[in-house]
Amino acid sequence: GQSLEQPSEVTAVEGAIVQINCTYQTSGFYGLSWYQQHDGGAPTFLSYNALDGLEETGRFSSFLSRSDSYGYLLLQELQMKDSASYFCAVRDGGGADGLTFGKGTHLIIQP
Amino acid sequence: GAGVSQSPSNKVTEKGKDVELRCDPISGHTALYWYRQSLGQGLEFLIYFQGNSAPDKSGLPSDRFSAERTGGSVSTLTIQRTQQEDSAVYLCASSFSDQSGTEQYFGPGTRLTVT
Repeated sequence: GQSLEQPSEVTAVEGAIVQINCTYQTSGFYGLSWYQQHDGGAPTFLSYNALDGLEETGRFSSFLSRSDSYGYLLLQELQMKDSASYFCAVRDGGGADGLTFGKGTHLIIQP
Repeated sequence: GAGVSQSPSNKVTEKGKDVELRCDPISGHTALYWYRQSLGQGLEFLIYFQGNSAPDKSGLPSDRFSAERTGGSVSTLTIQRTQQEDSAVYLCASSFSDQSGTEQYFGPGTRLTVT
């Protein structure tokens, strides 16, 4: 089977930097994705890492270490609108299956 | 262009009744996925379609759940003899390919409540 672990809740201050960690155990591995979901909204794609290293997209960056089965999402210059739940997800088969999601990290931004 | 749409947005049904949930993916997207999300939880994969075929049905929680996709477009998820534990938000997503890392676009979901 597969499982992903991430903190249930993280609190940070507006303008600061926050890191959300994700560790995974899967039978296979084809990359780590991150999705954002605001309360009552649909998940939206943030990033994807297939190889080790850091991927940067604006204020958001995502990191992967395949040898450690570990990744993180880094959010910089936090804004109040970043308050949301963040999910890491893996695809552990070939093309023909869905994503396995973690339970999500609820990010609370304080002014 | 339009995003992924789902109907109904909310469905309240009595235990034991059958329900049908509909998903209209983004035009041209060949891959379609169904997930469900219980309150405060992550997303649970249910089933995946590539075109009209479903190579992976492993996530369906019981034989009361079935899904079909016709014309490579619209998909319906059917739950027979609903139980209270089926209450959740059912999310549909589509992507232009099934390759790993391809962004999945999610619909707004159908909130199912079984009383």
